[in-house]
Amino acid sequence: EPEVTQTPSHQVTQMGQEVILRCVPISNHLYFYWYRQILGQKVEFLVSFYNNEISEKSEIFDDQFSVERPDGSNFTLKIRSTKLEDSAMYFCASLGQGRTDTQYFGPGTRLTVL
Amino acid sequence: DAKTTQPTSMDCAEGRAANLPCNHSTISGNEYVYWYRQIHSQGPQYIIHGLKNNETNEMASLIITEDRKSSTLILPHATLRDTAVYYCIVRVRVTGGGNKLTFGTGTQLKVEL
Repeated sequence: EPEVTQTPSHQVTQMGQEVILRCVPISNHLYFYWYRQILGQKVEFLVSFYNNEISEKSEIFDDQFSVERPDGSNFTLKIRSTKLEDSAMYFCASLGQGRTDTQYFGPGTRLTVL
Repeated sequence: DAKTTQPTSMDCAEGRAANLPCNHSTISGNEYVYWYRQIHSQGPQYIIHGLKNNETNEMASLIITEDRKSSTLILPHATLRDTAVYYCIVRVRVTGGGNKLTFGTGTQLKVEL
């Protein structure tokens, strides 16, 4: 069964550094998402992406964040200058087009900012 | 999206049915009920969704009351692997997709021997 994959599984970085989290959505899916989950808290929506542009973003998704689909397969989330409060699990999700609008989630990247 | 209310936690014996309730009294006519689960910080996993009719798939059954103000997710024979946080989400279904999911705190289901 096709699945969403994410790399790395765990990223440790110093405050102020840039990080890029990578996702490979399910092929032929057209909608892509990033969510995050701070330890012990809810899963929060960050951004959705369709047709090579952001379709919706939350208040969390400020100028420090950006997303890109650099080629036909990868979908990336960049945090330009990480803060301690960016430490969280980051989940990528993708969605196909059709009768069902089920979002499929990846296993997540645990980001630790020191 | 309509607000949902779920119990914080529930226990279930392995092999028994797990019945997880969700209250969504402000649901509007074009909003669907979705269920996802999250096993120990893994990515959320889709379970089932419905509008007004009861639905069943290989994972679970979804029972929606006639007035649509509440629903119950049923795992017919719970196993230890079903221990997870279960999220009930109500939202408009956009044809062709695109909508974000808004997660609440969910119900922590613990399946025990």
